[in-house]
Amino acid sequence: GESVGLHLPTLSVQEGDNSIINCAYSNSASDYFIWYKQESGKGPQFIIDIRSNMDKRQGQRVTVLLNKTVKHLSLQIAATQPGDSAVYFCAENIGDSGAGSYQLTFGKGTKLSVIP
Amino acid sequence: DTEVTQTPKHLVMGMTNKKSLKCEQHMGHRAMYWYKQKAKKPPELMFVYSYEKLSINESVPSRFSPECPNSSLLNLHLHALQPEDSALYLCASSQDNSKQYFGPGTRLLVL
Repeated sequence: GESVGLHLPTLSVQEGDNSIINCAYSNSASDYFIWYKQESGKGPQFIIDIRSNMDKRQGQRVTVLLNKTVKHLSLQIAATQPGDSAVYFCAENIGDSGAGSYQLTFGKGTKLSVIP
Repeated sequence: DTEVTQTPKHLVMGMTNKKSLKCEQHMGHRAMYWYKQKAKKPPELMFVYSYEKLSINESVPSRFSPECPNSSLLNLHLHALQPEDSALYLCASSQDNSKQYFGPGTRLLVL
């Protein structure tokens, strides 16, 4: 069973502020990274991805930064809204398993709470 | 259509029951995945199918038996589960080493 008091790291931000969620990954050979958002009772939802030949990628209100030197990934959310409240997971491709499939390993997750 | 569907949404079963979880996608993806997620934890990979063939089994106990009847369907057959197997079971699909799309999951409770 789970330990009493086990909890996810939490980030609380004011509505309208920018959010930065950080992730340290483990495998220096990982070449593909994805950020997922998971709301309560739902499956993970794709936000943005980045390959190791890039160090920055932007989407709508989101930016992912990749620092391969220190094996660090971050997700920036601009003008955070209440609908952004969720758990955010980074995931790394730790190896291809053939024919277009691959193995994703997920980070521990960060719970983002937006204060209206 | 970028949707992965899973049935049932919820399942309660006893330790002697046999049940199956179903997953379907119509995006033409040739890779499909089963993950297990415990509360407040990240998803953990269980099985990977490529072109309807099992390519990865992450040391999952034999009481979980995956099946890929065709390129759109993925099943997970459950038999003689333990209470600690209670979790959210997620299915995902992908194409050409690109992003994995997840279904909403089946929340399983083993009594």
